[in-house]
Amino acid sequence: KNQVEQSPQSLIILEGKNCTLQCNYTVSPFSNLRWYKQDTGRGPVSLTIMTFSENTKSNGRYTATLDADTKQSSLHITASQLSDSASYICVVTRLQGAQKLVFGQGTRLTINP
Amino acid sequence: NAGVMQNPRHLVRRRGQEARLRCSPMKGHSHVYWYRQLPEEGLKFMVYLQKENIIDESGMPKERFSAEFPKEGPSILRIQQVVRGDSAAYFCASSPREGEGTEAFFGQGTRLTVV
Repeated sequence: KNQVEQSPQSLIILEGKNCTLQCNYTVSPFSNLRWYKQDTGRGPVSLTIMTFSENTKSNGRYTATLDADTKQSSLHITASQLSDSASYICVVTRLQGAQKLVFGQGTRLTINP
Repeated sequence: NAGVMQNPRHLVRRRGQEARLRCSPMKGHSHVYWYRQLPEEGLKFMVYLQKENIIDESGMPKERFSAEFPKEGPSILRIQQVVRGDSAAYFCASSPREGEGTEAFFGQGTRLTVV
């Protein structure tokens, strides 16, 4: 079954601290993996997209990793800011077949001052 | 280049009425996806359309829900005879093509409330 599992479900950290969010997937055939940030009441916004051959990609304070062998990805946020409070969603794209984008449930991140 | 535009942003319908949700993809994008997000839950795939064609509707409820993406104009998600359980945020995403590394861009969503 094509699934994307994210952990933790929710996370609270202090402003300025670092954190790492996890994503495990069983989706195949694999095309790419994306991390989205979704602010409350808004649509998801792409942070990174990685294909099979890429194992790390950075976007400012966000760094995503991908291990295609173990089917795991992580999103590391450094020097967190209050504006980082949001849901972070891991999405895996299938190369073919139905339901091409498979979404994780998201990690709800709260940054406290 | 405007992003994916969804309207209305908020829609209130009484039980039994029809809801029509519109999605205008980004310019040059011919692939549209609709997703539903229930409160405190993740996005769930509903339907994938290309111009004038439904490619995959495996996530659509069999009754009351339909979607179209005409040659001209926005994509429409139509819900007939709405029930309270239809209350959710409905997101549309568009992409220019399929293929490895293709980006999908999301609209701001339509929040449907059935009273």
